[in-house]
Amino acid sequence: ELKVEQNPLFLSMQEGKNYTIYCNYSTTSDRLYWYRQDPGKSLESLFVLLSNGAVKQEGRLMASLDTKARLSTLHITAAVHDLSATYFCAVDLPFTYGGATNKLIFGTGTLLAVQP
Amino acid sequence: DAGITQSPRHKVTETGTPVTLRCHQTENHRYMYWYRQDPGHGLRLIHYSYGVKDTDKGEVSDGYSVSRSKTEDFLLTLESATSSQTSVYFCAIRWGGGTEAFFGQGTRLTVV
Repeated sequence: ELKVEQNPLFLSMQEGKNYTIYCNYSTTSDRLYWYRQDPGKSLESLFVLLSNGAVKQEGRLMASLDTKARLSTLHITAAVHDLSATYFCAVDLPFTYGGATNKLIFGTGTLLAVQP
Repeated sequence: DAGITQSPRHKVTETGTPVTLRCHQTENHRYMYWYRQDPGHGLRLIHYSYGVKDTDKGEVSDGYSVSRSKTEDFLLTLESATSSQTSVYFCAIRWGGGTEAFFGQGTRLTVV
């Protein structure tokens, strides 16, 4: 059974600081996704990572994937208040023992609060 | 925005009653998913569909059933609602493996 773990679960940081959110998963996959959720809202796609060593950047956020370590990171550079949200990683199981495909499993999320 | 609509958006129901939530898409995406979101648990997969009449269980499928009789609609049924099923339910769609998923606006369900 695929497990996806994020840490930390809660992150309070000051504006201008850097930090990293970690996403570990328990089984082989080379497909990982990052999402953002604002309070009371739906989820919005941030990054799609599809191979070992993949790196994507958008503004102050950069995501990377190490499939050998089963680890993805979301790095925040010089945080601003607008980045306050919950961030989720998700892993794609390309197939299951039952033959069904593309089961998408999410982590527990990281609540990021950026303080002025 | 991806053409995905959840209905109803809010519902209060009594324990023991059946409840059906609907997810409708206009994108012709093959894959559709139902998740529940609860504090401290993130999003947990209930069921998903990989084609018409093709569905599979997720992490927390007990007490839930699904049906997909046509590409655009994916129904989630709580057979006999319990208070533990009070949650926010999200539907998601995507074209295929390796592609991003698009989410509906969510349904807030309260079982009293």
